[in-house]
Amino acid sequence: QSVLTQPPSVSGAPGQRVTISCTGSSSNIGAGYAVHWYQQLPGTAPKLLIYANSDRPSGVPDRFSGSKSGTSASLAITGLQAEDEADYYCQSYDSSLSGEVFGTGTKVTVL
Amino acid sequence: EVQLVESGGGLVQPGGSLRLSCAASGFPFSSYWMHWVRQAPGKGLVWVSRVNSDGSSTNYADSVKGRFTISRDNAKNTLYLQMNSLRAEDTAVYYCTRAGSGLFDPWGQGTLVTVSS
Repeated sequence: QSVLTQPPSVSGAPGQRVTISCTGSSSNIGAGYAVHWYQQLPGTAPKLLIYANSDRPSGVPDRFSGSKSGTSASLAITGLQAEDEADYYCQSYDSSLSGEVFGTGTKVTVL
Repeated sequence: EVQLVESGGGLVQPGGSLRLSCAASGFPFSSYWMHWVRQAPGKGLVWVSRVNSDGSSTNYADSVKGRFTISRDNAKNTLYLQMNSLRAEDTAVYYCTRAGSGLFDPWGQGTLVTVSS
């Protein structure tokens, strides 16, 4: 029962820009809790992609960027590459559930 | 190198029990909160449980509360998840992950639990 809503899929041609939204509520993103993003390549474990709304761990290309506003957050991928084809999940904390919550997940397809 | 390696998954009948383990290395295990996250086949990530650094505080998702128990042995750098009264809907890959400032990094490779008769 995900409380963070993401579009099921987005797609783009190589080199294009795509964005993934993550919509929450006043008990999670809107309450000021940080949003983190994970990339899950096919058949592998999730990997931290963006943390604290907009920061990138070392080694993550600057083609990936994150932002947060109100009760929503977004992940942008610029200069889309074939190796970006994966599932992407947002994650935050929910005070009503007293636990961490994930988004519904978005599959990115490179055309 | 920071590493998490899960084990203990397998096929179990409905109503049965299973204990998962997660061996940690490359970081001061006793300083970090640890979590279990699961992913049903073809589905998204779902948070399951967390334990604080010394094991004195635990929390669970409503879907597993009363059936699952998270614990840790800091002397052995190992995290556990005892799963009882298993149901078909518990079928998933179970990941252990290290927490810090609300984020999860790194993740183990996962262990598959299949509940079926």
